[in-house]
Amino acid sequence: AQKVTQAQTEISVVEKEDVTLDCVYETRDTTYYLFWYKQPPSGELVFLIRRNSFDEQNEISGRYSWNFQKSTSSFNFTITASQVVDSAVYFCALSERMDTDKLIFGTGTRLQVFP
Amino acid sequence: EAGVTQSPTHLIKTRGQQVTLRCSPISGHTSVYWYQQALGLGLQFLLWYDEGEERNRGNFPPRFSGRQFPNYSSELNVNALELEDSALYLCASSLADSHSGANVLTFGAGSRLTVL
Repeated sequence: AQKVTQAQTEISVVEKEDVTLDCVYETRDTTYYLFWYKQPPSGELVFLIRRNSFDEQNEISGRYSWNFQKSTSSFNFTITASQVVDSAVYFCALSERMDTDKLIFGTGTRLQVFP
Repeated sequence: EAGVTQSPTHLIKTRGQQVTLRCSPISGHTSVYWYQQALGLGLQFLLWYDEGEERNRGNFPPRFSGRQFPNYSSELNVNALELEDSALYLCASSLADSHSGANVLTFGAGSRLTVL
């Protein structure tokens, strides 16, 4: 069965610290997609990244980077030099080709960045 | 460009009542999705509509229903409200690409329902 686990419920850091949010997934499909979304206090989820199961290249976008490792079924997200504006709940999600358009979300990690 | 808009933003109902939530997708998006974000349960997939048809449904009872209109806007109806229906209901839209599972969803800010 498909499942996404975000073991870290809440993380608190001080500005400029680096922080890694963990995501572990389970799927029986060979073709799948992984996502990260950010949910600021306003409520709407903001798309950050999508990776497909055939592309294990790590990705960097500014202060954000993602590490996808199929061997450990993980898709971790690192914020470098965190800022107060990074404070939000971050969700990792999975969709499978077998059950298209149904995103399976993890329970989220609340990140608090203090000045 | 306007994002996904939802109404109402907040509402309070009592057990047994019915509620209708509304969603307008991004212009050009034909797919609309509904998710429930209840405290402690995370985000749960409710419904997916595309081109006016229900394409997929999550593990929710039949009292959760909806529809999509010709202009691609959507309604979510919940009958016989129960206390555990209290949640943030998020609508999202995307361009339809139903064979890939790779759709990027754009979410609205949600409708927060409190059932007393």
